[in-house]
Amino acid sequence: EVQLVESGGGLVQPGGSLRLSCSTSGFTFSRFAMNWVRLAPGKGPEWVSEISGNGAKTFYADSVKGRLVIYRDNYMNTLYLQMNSLRVEDTAVYYCTKDDGSYGFDSWGQGTLVTVSS
Amino acid sequence: QSVLTQPPSASGTPGQRVTISCSGSSSNIGSNVVNWYQHLPGTAPKLLVNSNNQRPSGVPGRISGSKSGTSASLAISGLQSEDEADYYCATWDDSLRGQVFGTGTKVTVL
Repeated sequence: EVQLVESGGGLVQPGGSLRLSCSTSGFTFSRFAMNWVRLAPGKGPEWVSEISGNGAKTFYADSVKGRLVIYRDNYMNTLYLQMNSLRVEDTAVYYCTKDDGSYGFDSWGQGTLVTVSS
Repeated sequence: QSVLTQPPSASGTPGQRVTISCSGSSSNIGSNVVNWYQHLPGTAPKLLVNSNNQRPSGVPGRISGSKSGTSASLAISGLQSEDEADYYCATWDDSLRGQVFGTGTKVTVL
C-alpha cells in the first residue's frame, strides 16, 4: 500500500523559513516524479513544485520560484520542500503527491498546515 | 487566475447526469492529457479520471471523462448524494512549464 506522510508544518512569521518532509513507502520511490500541491483556505488546489525521479529536473510555480526548493533523498524515500522568505499568501495545507506521469497524481498524503502570520 | 476555466457550479437531482466543462488552450489541454480530481473539504483531493478518460481502480463506471481540442469534460451519471464535492481538471502547461488546475466546480445534489 502506498503511503505518503507529510510533516514539518507550523506557524512562522513572514520572512521566515520551514522545511517540509514527505516520508514514503509502498512503492519504488526513485521511479516516480513527486510534487507538492497546496490548498489555501477556501481555495482550490495550486501546484507548487515537481521533481523528477532521479532529482535532476525540478519545476516551480511562478508564485514560489526563487523562494521554495524541492529536493529528494532516494535512499531515505523522502521528499522535501525547503520554504524560505515565506509570505502570508503561502498559508495553506501542503500535500505531497506521487506523480504517475500521464496517469495523474494518484496518491496524496494527509497534508501539513503551514501558517504564515505575524 | 487559472488558465483552465470551469463553471463555478453544477447541480442535479439524484439519478440525473451532470457534466462539467474545462476550457484551456493549445499549450495545456490542446497538447497534454487531462486529469480530474474530486475534493471534499478537509481531505486530500482524489484522482477521479486520468489520461483524459481512464478511471483509476475503485472509481465507479458512472464517472467518465473526455477531451476534444482545447476542452475537456467530466460526466457524472446516476448522481448520488456522495458526489456532492468540488471537482478540478488539471493538466501540464507547456508555456508555464508546470501543472495547472482548473478554477473548480462545486457539484450540488438537490
